[in-house]
Amino acid sequence: TQLLEQSPQFLSIQEGENLTVYCNSSSVFSSLQWYRQEPGEGPVLLVTVVTGGEVKKLKRLTFQFGDARKDSSLHITAAQPGDTGLYLCAVKRMEYGNKLVFGAGTILRVKS
Amino acid sequence: DAGITQSPRHKVTETGTPVTLRCHQTENHRYMYWYRQDPGHGLRLIHYSYGVKDTDKGEVSDGYSVSRSKTEDFLLTLESATSSQTSVYFCAISEPISVNTQYFGPGTRLTVL
Repeated sequence: TQLLEQSPQFLSIQEGENLTVYCNSSSVFSSLQWYRQEPGEGPVLLVTVVTGGEVKKLKRLTFQFGDARKDSSLHITAAQPGDTGLYLCAVKRMEYGNKLVFGAGTILRVKS
Repeated sequence: DAGITQSPRHKVTETGTPVTLRCHQTENHRYMYWYRQDPGHGLRLIHYSYGVKDTDKGEVSDGYSVSRSKTEDFLLTLESATSSQTSVYFCAISEPISVNTQYFGPGTRLTVL
């Protein structure tokens, strides 16, 4: 069982549509990060959320940390082909020496 | 973009052969990491380094060793490659004050036949 469950695994939508992807766990976290990885490249940090209920916006992307700090969501408004990629959530875990643990990710494809 | 390069970018090798992957950074960051990425598993930490000659094991370290003789270079060695080590390998760097903020290299795709 993975520490972080991301859903859906795959998402294919048309340009202009809205979407939400999720990162869930039964554990409580002090913070959570979202990364985006484009094909053939390494992940790039998008945002870190630290407070329960926190909402952060990055242009058309809205990130929310659950009130209980066990889950998070990423909402994209009016998706564009440039949003295509793998979206990963990650948390810091003490049992791994405070190193990051990643979810399996959601593959997003936005068709024009 | 953080100055991180990985070499080679692609490699095909045979089972039982030794393989060394190199990560080079120009950012003078103290912490460096090696991850592998496989479908359905996300990124999993193999080894990490807190500084020169200071390394430790991650989640999936069996079959891998690392060395760091200079701040800028972090080497990952597969002593005897196996097909289960076919994967994409990523190097990352961070500063101690912001461990969570990691910058990733472009990756090395390794195929073990």
